[in-house]
Amino acid sequence: DTGVSQDPRHKITKRGQNVTFRCDPISEHNRLYWYRQTLGQGPEFLTYFQNEAQLEKSRLLSDRFSAERPKGSFSTLEIQRTEQGDSAMYLCASSSPDRLYEQYFGPGTRLTVT
Amino acid sequence: DQQVKQNSPSLSVQEGRISILNCDYTNSMFDYFLWYKKYPAEGPTFLISISSIKDKNEDGRFTVFLNKSAKHLSLHIVPSQPGDSAVYFCAAGDDKIIFGKGTRLHILP
Repeated sequence: DTGVSQDPRHKITKRGQNVTFRCDPISEHNRLYWYRQTLGQGPEFLTYFQNEAQLEKSRLLSDRFSAERPKGSFSTLEIQRTEQGDSAMYLCASSSPDRLYEQYFGPGTRLTVT
Repeated sequence: DQQVKQNSPSLSVQEGRISILNCDYTNSMFDYFLWYKKYPAEGPTFLISISSIKDKNEDGRFTVFLNKSAKHLSLHIVPSQPGDSAVYFCAAGDDKIIFGKGTRLHILP
């Protein structure tokens, strides 16, 4: 069990560019969650998957954001036409079928939009 | 509208003493409550959880108490150790969880 991994750990991009982040959950965890965290705040829910199905998306997730989990394993989060307000830590978490509520987080991807 | 509130941004406790972190919530439909610990530049680490049907759960030095009538939960750390210095997040929910803003705990030598 290697834990949840995220790649890259840091990303600096210019406003208007597209970025994509990857999350590899703990193996056999069927649920995968994406959160965004800004300074002084707790993680804010963005979306989650059960296997390959995206079950819920937050209203925070504008049309510029899209997430996929095509084979029910790793997931990607893409942000199109980045804006400075997208600068944040993007966190991924996963949970197992028998303990759904206990989410285990990865180290996060810190996005800076200049 | 914050559904999960941690009203103390920071707390300082002497090493060896009890640390008590508090959390209030507004939604009586929440099924599950959790505490996470976060160090700088790392993701939150799961600490302990409690379901809405219980009022206490203990794991080593960590105990979580749930008072459903008051919509309040607390995390007790006994005894407090230097490595406990971190930001602690309270979270609550069902299919998705909602986090508070966190309380920074400082353990003083």
